[in-house]
Amino acid sequence: GNSVTQMEGPVTLSEEAFLTINCTYTATGYPSLFWYVQYPGEGLQLLLKATKADDKGSNKGFEATYRKETTSFHLEKGSVQVSDSAVYFCALRGSSASKIIFGSGTRLSIRP
Amino acid sequence: DGGITQSPKYLFRKEGQNVTLSCEQNLNHDAMYWYRQDPGQGLRLIYYSQIVNDFQKGDIAEGYSVSREKKESFPLTVTSAQKNPTAFYLCASSRGDFTYEQYFGPGTRLTVT
Repeated sequence: GNSVTQMEGPVTLSEEAFLTINCTYTATGYPSLFWYVQYPGEGLQLLLKATKADDKGSNKGFEATYRKETTSFHLEKGSVQVSDSAVYFCALRGSSASKIIFGSGTRLSIRP
Repeated sequence: DGGITQSPKYLFRKEGQNVTLSCEQNLNHDAMYWYRQDPGQGLRLIYYSQIVNDFQKGDIAEGYSVSREKKESFPLTVTSAQKNPTAFYLCASSRGDFTYEQYFGPGTRLTVT
């Protein structure tokens, strides 16, 4: 079945550091891929998405590229801020209108 | 402001008691969902409803029940049959089926002792 594996946290970085959170997936067909963010005490928000191979999703300075050859969708940001501290979830939806499969989440903490 | 409301934010219950978690949305969305979030795990789907008076089991429906009598409301009951009810519960809604973006509420943290 479909599954998502993302790097374990917590990840702690200094402000203005470069961020990468790895995400790989297993799926049949052509899934859609997502990154969600959960700020402290809140529900999840969709951060970015990509629906086909080589698509790049981007939002708020974050980017992720759908790489079918490596079945990956790594999240990157060139210069993180304290306000980026949150839990980040990689997720996929199968090629039909199937439910969303979430990764286990990666907690990110940014030091001033 | 349109959005999803979950109440209360924190809920405490004794083992053996049923408890109902509230979820209300004013986004005029047809579909609503309940997820469970445990530490170090992704969200797991409990139940979902794509239209009023209809709902389907998700991956972990055992020990839970729902109703969808109104478009705006999708309450979740955690019954005494749920073996490990302590968790963070998230409600979401979307315009249609799973192909549409889901919008999440702030969640309810349930502690059962």
